[in-house]
Amino acid sequence: AQTVTQSQPEMSVQEAETVTLSCTYDTSESDYYLFWYKQPPSRQMILVIRQEAYKQQNATENRFSVNFQKAAKSFSLKISDSQLGDAAMYFCAYRRGTSGSRLTFGEGTQLTVNP
Amino acid sequence: AAGVIQSPRHLIKEKRETATLKCYPIPRHDTVYWYQQGPGQDPQFLISFYEKMQSDKGSIPDRFSAQQFSDYHSELNMSSLELGDSALYFCASSLAGEGAEQYFGPGTRLTVT
Repeated sequence: AQTVTQSQPEMSVQEAETVTLSCTYDTSESDYYLFWYKQPPSRQMILVIRQEAYKQQNATENRFSVNFQKAAKSFSLKISDSQLGDAAMYFCAYRRGTSGSRLTFGEGTQLTVNP
Repeated sequence: AAGVIQSPRHLIKEKRETATLKCYPIPRHDTVYWYQQGPGQDPQFLISFYEKMQSDKGSIPDRFSAQQFSDYHSELNMSSLELGDSALYFCASSLAGEGAEQYFGPGTRLTVT
């Protein structure tokens, strides 16, 4: 079974600074996808970024980028120029490369942004 | 852009009652997923459907059943409710295809008293 681990229950960052959230996963599959989701106090789950395992290039979406280390099974999220609106719970998630397959989430990291 | 619609948004039921949660996916999305999120926990996968057929099954209790209809909307039926069923229930939808992004609805908050 696949597992996803987020070892940082809480992180904080100063506004405009950069923060990196860690995630590791375990799988025997060769075809899979990784995601970061954001859950603000509204509890809405918002997709932040997606990475295909077969791609060596790290995904980037505006201020959000990932460091995908396939051999180490590591998938960290870097948030640059942090904003107050970035404060949320962040979940790392894994998905097999099969249509209709589930997301397996990590435990989450609560990010606080200090003004 | 249209998002996933879930109804009702809030539901209060007593123990041993039945509840039905509905999910309307994003237009043209043909795959629907159900997740349960308890307080302070990450979302746990329950079940998914593609073209009205079950495509994946997680730790869904036998008391729960779900289906997807011809218009792609889905319903999660929960019977003999227990206090432990109190949670936020998310529906997500995606296009078919491996690795397709799943977009989540706002969730239905179920409280069992």
